Amino acid sequence: DSGVTQTPKHLITATGQRVTLRCSPRSGDLSVYWYQQSLDQGLQFLIQYYNGEERAKGNILERFSAQQFPDLHSELNLSSLELGDSALYFCASSVGGTENQPQHFGDGTRLSIL
Amino acid sequence: EDQVTQSPEALRLQEGESSSLNCSYTVSGLRGLFWYRQDPGKGPEFLFTLYSAGEEKEKERLKATLTKKESFLHITAPKPEDSATYLCAVRSYNQGGKLIFGQGTELSVKP
Repeated sequence: DSGVTQTPKHLITATGQRVTLRCSPRSGDLSVYWYQQSLDQGLQFLIQYYNGEERAKGNILERFSAQQFPDLHSELNLSSLELGDSALYFCASSVGGTENQPQHFGDGTRLSIL
Repeated sequence: EDQVTQSPEALRLQEGESSSLNCSYTVSGLRGLFWYRQDPGKGPEFLFTLYSAGEEKEKERLKATLTKKESFLHITAPKPEDSATYLCAVRSYNQGGKLIFGQGTELSVKP
């Protein structure tokens, strides 16, 4: 158990809808990262927050947004969903923002778009 | 552009048959190279961090090494429970905490 909690584990919805994925980092970790894993693209970095502030951004679509709250949990919002958004979405956390500590991953949210 | 390539894509071994997985990388300034293990339906599990060429790390039957262009994950006398997908990732300077992952090597160890 990595200590990173993601909810829900599975999410099934339709095209055009909006969903929110939630992540609770390990106790003491200030950074939260979001990744998307699909069969053809592998694990792709979306965005990083450190202590409530955006720290780094990957190729995150404009339809996607994220935030980190004062209690350090994070939410990833996906809107105007398309079939191609079906994937596993992972959250990871680490102690710092720029130090080289490893990132610890949750078990992901499987998003299926029908 | 920073890039990570892993080979082979899949590897089948008999129990006890040692082998190596390769991770080749191109990065503007390597801040760290990470190895993860991923089981089906689970998130990646951290194994090692390597920081500079010549560095080696060991954990049970696994040993990771690093050169200026690639990293190897050596598996000695593997057991069926070592079956998983092994992922390599790099972190470069000036990109915050972003990890760039390879596509992974799917390892299957048969008894």
